[in-house]
Amino acid sequence: AAGVIQSPRHLIKEKRETATLKCYPIPRHDTVYWYQQGPGQDPQFLISFYEKMQSDKGSIPDRFSAQQFSDYHSELNMSSLELGDSALYFCASSSPPGDWTSGLADTQYFGPGTRLTVL
Amino acid sequence: SQQGEEDPQALSIQEGENATMNCSYKTSINNLQWYRQNSGRGLVHLILIRSNEREKHSGRLRVTLDTSKKSSSLLITASRAADTASYFCATRSTTSGTYKYIFGTGTRLKVLA
Repeated sequence: AAGVIQSPRHLIKEKRETATLKCYPIPRHDTVYWYQQGPGQDPQFLISFYEKMQSDKGSIPDRFSAQQFSDYHSELNMSSLELGDSALYFCASSSPPGDWTSGLADTQYFGPGTRLTVL
Repeated sequence: SQQGEEDPQALSIQEGENATMNCSYKTSINNLQWYRQNSGRGLVHLILIRSNEREKHSGRLRVTLDTSKKSSSLLITASRAADTASYFCATRSTTSGTYKYIFGTGTRLKVLA
């Protein structure tokens, strides 16, 4: 079965550079979530999108922005990178709310992550 | 502060034993999910339990939810070395239209062969 695709898988950037992470959700999934996980830390919710509109915002720095496109893929743009931005960035997707009765709507399916290293 | 707090933070058991991990949360929730993560890898969804459910089973997994105590537990029976991973709970609040999950700090489980 198709899974969530993230690209690139690894990214190395210098301080103050910019980075763009991409996420391709499972087909028919219209909700995308972004998480940041530092070394030895739990995943921190950054932002989510439902039907191409931002639905919730978490601890996302102002230097970061994200959007969901018409084909439901999402991009996380990170500018003025700092050393502390080095982390694993996960994207997850979930199915439309119409799947409530099957219990599938809330299940998040995670991608393999992008490991960002800022030097 | 994190919505979910797991305990213990680390657990080491012998293969074949049962492993129990607990998660506590602070606000009213719509559902609670448990995930597994192997080191540096993506999170794998294990089980979802809704706020109106008290117990759920999936294979060797058993999850309980006590909304009065705002806590959940994950039991892995007959553990295997392959169960070695970090386990996280994640909660979704009852706020209408919320698409936001809060993860707990995780329990690092080590199953010794």
